[in-house]
Amino acid sequence: SAVISQKPSRDICQRGTSLTIQCQVDSQVTMMFWYRQQPGQSLTLIATANQGSEATYESGFVIDKFPISRPNLTFSTLTVSNMSPEDSSIYLCSVAGEQTQYFGPGTRLLVL
Amino acid sequence: QKEVEQNSGPLSVPEGAIASLNCTYSDRGSQSFFWYRQYSGKSPELIMFIYSNGDKEDGRFTAQLNKASQYVSLLIRDSQPSDSATYLCAGTGRRALTFGSGTRLQVQP
Repeated sequence: SAVISQKPSRDICQRGTSLTIQCQVDSQVTMMFWYRQQPGQSLTLIATANQGSEATYESGFVIDKFPISRPNLTFSTLTVSNMSPEDSSIYLCSVAGEQTQYFGPGTRLLVL
Repeated sequence: QKEVEQNSGPLSVPEGAIASLNCTYSDRGSQSFFWYRQYSGKSPELIMFIYSNGDKEDGRFTAQLNKASQYVSLLIRDSQPSDSATYLCAGTGRRALTFGSGTRLQVQP
Protein backbone atom coordinates (compact mmCIF):
# COMPACT_ATOMS: atom_id res chain seq x y z
CA SER A 1 0.00 0.00 0.00
CA ALA A 2 1.06 3.60 -0.61
CA VAL A 3 2.23 5.82 2.24
CA ILE A 4 0.54 9.20 2.03
CA SER A 5 1.36 12.32 4.00
CA GLN A 6 -0.54 15.59 4.18
CA LYS A 7 0.41 19.07 5.33
CA PRO A 8 -0.80 20.77 7.39
CA SER A 9 -2.45 18.23 9.67
CA ARG A 10 -4.76 20.93 11.00
CA ASP A 11 -5.28 24.65 10.78
CA ILE A 12 -7.53 27.41 12.03
CA CYS A 13 -8.18 30.12 9.46
CA GLN A 14 -10.08 33.37 9.20
CA ARG A 15 -12.94 33.70 6.75
CA GLY A 16 -11.98 35.17 3.41
CA THR A 17 -8.49 33.69 3.44
CA SER A 18 -7.15 30.69 1.48
CA LEU A 19 -5.33 27.56 2.55
CA THR A 20 -3.26 25.20 0.43
CA ILE A 21 -3.09 21.55 1.48
CA GLN A 22 -0.24 19.40 0.27
CA CYS A 23 -0.34 15.67 -0.41
CA GLN A 24 2.82 13.61 -0.88
CA VAL A 25 2.90 9.93 -1.85
CA ASP A 26 5.89 7.61 -1.47
CA SER A 27 5.44 6.09 -4.93
CA GLN A 28 4.29 7.21 -8.35
CA VAL A 29 0.54 7.01 -8.80
CA THR A 30 -1.61 7.86 -11.77
CA MET A 31 -4.80 8.87 -10.05
CA MET A 32 -5.11 11.04 -6.96
CA PHE A 33 -8.34 12.17 -5.40
CA TRP A 34 -9.42 14.85 -2.97
CA TYR A 35 -12.33 14.20 -0.62
CA ARG A 36 -14.08 16.31 1.99
CA GLN A 37 -15.59 14.94 5.17
CA GLN A 38 -17.78 17.41 6.99
CA PRO A 39 -18.47 16.87 10.70
CA GLY A 40 -20.46 13.70 11.24
CA GLN A 41 -20.72 13.03 7.53
CA SER A 42 -19.23 10.60 5.09
CA LEU A 43 -16.64 11.27 2.42
CA THR A 44 -17.59 13.38 -0.58
CA LEU A 45 -15.37 13.41 -3.66
CA ILE A 46 -14.26 16.92 -4.61
CA ALA A 47 -12.14 16.17 -7.66
CA THR A 48 -9.82 13.76 -9.41
CA ALA A 49 -6.29 15.04 -10.07
CA ASN A 50 -4.30 13.51 -12.91
CA GLN A 51 -0.79 14.53 -13.81
CA GLY A 52 -0.57 16.51 -17.00
CA SER A 53 -4.22 17.45 -17.23
CA GLU A 54 -6.74 19.63 -15.47
CA ALA A 55 -8.52 18.20 -12.48
CA THR A 56 -12.01 16.79 -12.95
CA TYR A 57 -14.48 18.26 -10.48
CA GLU A 58 -17.62 16.63 -9.12
CA SER A 59 -21.00 18.28 -9.12
CA GLY A 60 -21.11 21.10 -6.60
CA PHE A 61 -17.38 21.79 -6.64
CA VAL A 62 -15.67 24.35 -8.90
CA ILE A 63 -12.10 25.16 -9.80
CA ASP A 64 -12.30 28.76 -8.59
CA LYS A 65 -13.13 27.59 -5.09
CA PHE A 66 -10.92 24.47 -4.99
CA PRO A 67 -8.00 24.88 -7.39
CA ILE A 68 -5.85 21.77 -7.64
CA SER A 69 -2.32 21.24 -8.87
CA ARG A 70 -0.69 17.96 -9.87
CA PRO A 71 2.87 18.77 -10.96
CA ASN A 72 4.14 15.18 -10.86
CA LEU A 73 3.13 11.60 -10.07
CA THR A 74 3.86 11.82 -6.32
CA PHE A 75 2.46 15.22 -5.32
CA SER A 76 -0.73 17.28 -5.41
CA THR A 77 -2.14 20.36 -3.73
CA LEU A 78 -5.69 21.44 -2.99
CA THR A 79 -6.42 25.08 -2.21
CA VAL A 80 -9.55 26.09 -0.35
CA SER A 81 -10.17 29.66 -1.50
CA ASN A 82 -12.06 32.54 0.08
CA MET A 83 -12.98 30.35 3.03
CA SER A 84 -16.20 30.55 5.00
CA PRO A 85 -17.21 28.64 8.15
CA GLU A 86 -19.05 26.15 5.91
CA ASP A 87 -15.65 25.01 4.63
CA SER A 88 -14.76 23.69 8.08
CA SER A 89 -14.12 20.04 7.37
CA ILE A 90 -11.53 17.32 7.07
CA TYR A 91 -9.86 17.24 3.67
CA LEU A 92 -8.46 13.89 2.61
CA CYS A 93 -6.06 12.99 -0.15
CA SER A 94 -6.49 9.54 -1.65
CA VAL A 95 -4.65 7.47 -4.23
CA ALA A 96 -5.74 4.56 -6.35
CA GLY A 97 -3.89 1.40 -5.44
CA GLU A 98 -4.26 -2.15 -6.63
CA GLN A 99 -8.03 -2.73 -6.55
CA THR A 100 -8.71 -0.08 -3.94
CA GLN A 101 -7.95 3.42 -2.65
CA TYR A 102 -5.74 4.49 0.21
CA PHE A 103 -6.16 7.62 2.26
CA GLY A 104 -3.83 10.15 3.76
CA PRO A 105 -4.18 11.20 7.41
CA GLY A 106 -6.33 14.20 6.51
CA THR A 107 -6.19 17.93 7.15
CA ARG A 108 -8.59 19.29 9.77
CA LEU A 109 -9.67 22.79 8.85
CA LEU A 110 -11.62 25.14 11.08
CA VAL A 111 -12.75 28.45 9.61
CA LEU A 112 -13.74 31.18 12.02
CA GLN B 1 -31.54 8.45 -3.94
CA LYS B 2 -28.06 8.04 -2.52
CA GLU B 3 -25.82 5.72 -4.49
CA VAL B 4 -24.64 3.85 -1.39
CA GLU B 5 -26.86 3.66 1.66
CA GLN B 6 -26.12 2.55 5.19
CA ASN B 7 -27.96 2.73 8.47
CA SER B 8 -26.17 5.36 10.55
CA GLY B 9 -26.63 3.44 13.80
CA PRO B 10 -25.32 3.31 16.39
CA LEU B 11 -25.29 -0.46 16.31
CA SER B 12 -24.56 -1.72 19.79
CA VAL B 13 -23.39 -5.30 20.40
CA PRO B 14 -21.90 -7.02 23.46
CA GLU B 15 -18.28 -8.10 23.44
CA GLY B 16 -17.88 -11.51 21.79
CA ALA B 17 -21.04 -11.22 19.70
CA ILE B 18 -21.36 -11.03 15.92
CA ALA B 19 -21.83 -7.54 14.50
CA SER B 20 -23.68 -7.35 11.20
CA LEU B 21 -23.31 -4.22 9.09
CA ASN B 22 -25.37 -3.72 5.96
CA CYS B 23 -25.18 -1.61 2.84
CA THR B 24 -27.27 -1.26 -0.32
CA TYR B 25 -26.27 0.36 -3.59
CA SER B 26 -28.14 1.71 -6.59
CA ASP B 27 -25.51 1.71 -9.34
CA ARG B 28 -25.56 -1.68 -11.06
CA GLY B 29 -22.36 -0.63 -12.82
CA SER B 30 -20.42 -0.82 -9.56
CA GLN B 31 -18.11 -3.79 -9.78
CA SER B 32 -16.31 -3.89 -6.45
CA PHE B 33 -17.22 -3.01 -2.91
CA PHE B 34 -15.11 -2.03 0.02
CA TRP B 35 -15.42 -1.82 3.76
CA TYR B 36 -13.38 0.83 5.55
CA ARG B 37 -13.09 1.38 9.27
CA GLN B 38 -12.73 4.90 10.60
CA TYR B 39 -11.87 5.66 14.18
CA SER B 40 -12.84 9.07 15.50
CA GLY B 41 -10.38 11.70 14.31
CA LYS B 42 -8.60 9.30 11.98
CA SER B 43 -8.71 8.63 8.25
CA PRO B 44 -10.44 5.55 6.80
CA GLU B 45 -8.49 2.30 6.70
CA LEU B 46 -9.37 -0.56 4.39
CA ILE B 47 -10.67 -3.72 6.03
CA MET B 48 -11.52 -5.76 2.96
CA PHE B 49 -13.01 -5.68 -0.50
CA ILE B 50 -15.24 -8.01 -2.48
CA TYR B 51 -16.17 -8.20 -6.15
CA SER B 52 -17.72 -11.66 -6.58
CA ASN B 53 -21.10 -12.80 -5.40
CA GLY B 54 -20.94 -14.78 -2.20
CA ASP B 55 -18.81 -14.62 0.91
CA LYS B 56 -15.21 -13.60 1.47
CA GLU B 57 -13.57 -14.28 4.80
CA ASP B 58 -10.51 -12.65 6.35
CA GLY B 59 -9.88 -13.47 9.98
CA ARG B 60 -12.82 -12.28 12.07
CA PHE B 61 -14.32 -10.42 9.12
CA THR B 62 -16.64 -11.79 6.43
CA ALA B 63 -17.89 -9.68 3.54
CA GLN B 64 -20.96 -10.77 1.62
CA LEU B 65 -22.08 -9.54 -1.79
CA ASN B 66 -25.38 -10.14 -3.54
CA LYS B 67 -25.41 -8.33 -6.86
CA ALA B 68 -28.97 -9.36 -7.72
CA SER B 69 -30.24 -7.69 -4.55
CA GLN B 70 -27.59 -4.92 -4.70
CA TYR B 71 -26.64 -5.69 -1.13
CA VAL B 72 -23.31 -5.81 0.67
CA SER B 73 -22.70 -6.79 4.26
CA LEU B 74 -19.86 -7.11 6.73
CA LEU B 75 -19.91 -9.56 9.62
CA ILE B 76 -17.51 -9.14 12.51
CA ARG B 77 -17.20 -12.24 14.66
CA ASP B 78 -16.10 -12.18 18.29
CA SER B 79 -16.53 -8.40 18.42
CA GLN B 80 -14.05 -6.54 20.59
CA PRO B 81 -14.28 -3.07 22.16
CA SER B 82 -11.44 -2.07 19.81
CA ASP B 83 -13.82 -2.70 16.90
CA SER B 84 -15.88 0.30 18.03
CA ALA B 85 -15.66 2.69 15.09
CA THR B 86 -17.59 3.92 12.08
CA TYR B 87 -17.70 1.45 9.19
CA LEU B 88 -17.93 2.90 5.71
CA CYS B 89 -19.23 0.94 2.75
CA ALA B 90 -17.96 2.07 -0.67
CA GLY B 91 -18.54 1.04 -4.26
CA THR B 92 -16.65 1.81 -7.43
CA GLY B 93 -18.07 4.94 -9.04
CA ARG B 94 -17.45 6.74 -12.30
CA ARG B 95 -14.06 8.07 -11.23
CA ALA B 96 -13.48 7.11 -7.63
CA LEU B 97 -15.06 5.27 -4.77
CA THR B 98 -18.51 6.40 -3.67
CA PHE B 99 -19.07 6.13 0.05
CA GLY B 100 -22.10 5.52 2.19
CA SER B 101 -22.73 7.64 5.26
CA GLY B 102 -21.25 5.00 7.55
CA THR B 103 -22.56 2.91 10.45
CA ARG B 104 -21.30 3.59 13.94
CA LEU B 105 -20.57 0.38 15.82
CA GLN B 106 -20.32 0.25 19.60
CA VAL B 107 -19.03 -2.93 21.21
CA GLN B 108 -19.96 -3.02 24.88
CA PRO B 109 -17.38 -4.65 27.23
